[in-house]
Amino acid sequence: EVQMLQSGGGLVHPGGSLRLSCAASRFTFSNYAMSWVRQAPGKGLEWVSSIEGDGVGTFYADSVKGRFTISRDNSKNTLYLQMNSLRTDDTAVYYCAKDLFHSNGIFDPFDIWGQGTTVTVSS
Amino acid sequence: EIVLTQSPGTLSLSPGERATLSCRASQSVTNTYLAWYQQKPGQAPRLLIYGAFSRATGIPDRFSGSGSGTDFTLTISRLEPEDFAVYHCHQYGTSPPFTFGPGTKVDIK
Repeated sequence: EVQMLQSGGGLVHPGGSLRLSCAASRFTFSNYAMSWVRQAPGKGLEWVSSIEGDGVGTFYADSVKGRFTISRDNSKNTLYLQMNSLRTDDTAVYYCAKDLFHSNGIFDPFDIWGQGTTVTVSS
Repeated sequence: EIVLTQSPGTLSLSPGERATLSCRASQSVTNTYLAWYQQKPGQAPRLLIYGAFSRATGIPDRFSGSGSGTDFTLTISRLEPEDFAVYHCHQYGTSPPFTFGPGTKVDIK
């Protein structure tokens, strides 16, 4: 079964840093663009960042640009999100998500999601 | 940035009834790059529909999508008990940012 297992969330003070990881299995990881999506408590989904299959192209929401960095290690089938200068409004459940289709120049909808990891930014 | 608006915010229906959910975009969605997800409490979203009308693998045919341009609809023909959840629309494609609607909650009347 295709799956993605997340780790790395937790409680951090404003201005602090965290790194999220998402370990993928049972699919050819390097063939697919990957993304991070977050959901603040009681709110809707918010796209955070996406990365192309080869790791070359990266894209960010304005709300995290300059603070968050998405990356991947295709030899380890793992996606990362380095989060710096965290703010209280970054508090959310963060999901990693896999594109539906093999890399095709389009960022597709997400057919496989991680279980979610909670990030709480509070003093 | 394309802003997605979903209506109604909450839809109260009984099992067996038909549910019609709307997603409106602030500008035309390229190539009908519009998806729908179902999310239950404490769970990750599940992809239902992509390309405005194509059902994802394993999705029952009581779920259908339609629309183009700026107006899209998700229809659940006959609600089953497991269909009571929150539904999100999502526009994707080649030009970030990609956006989600605020969600429609379908709850039991």
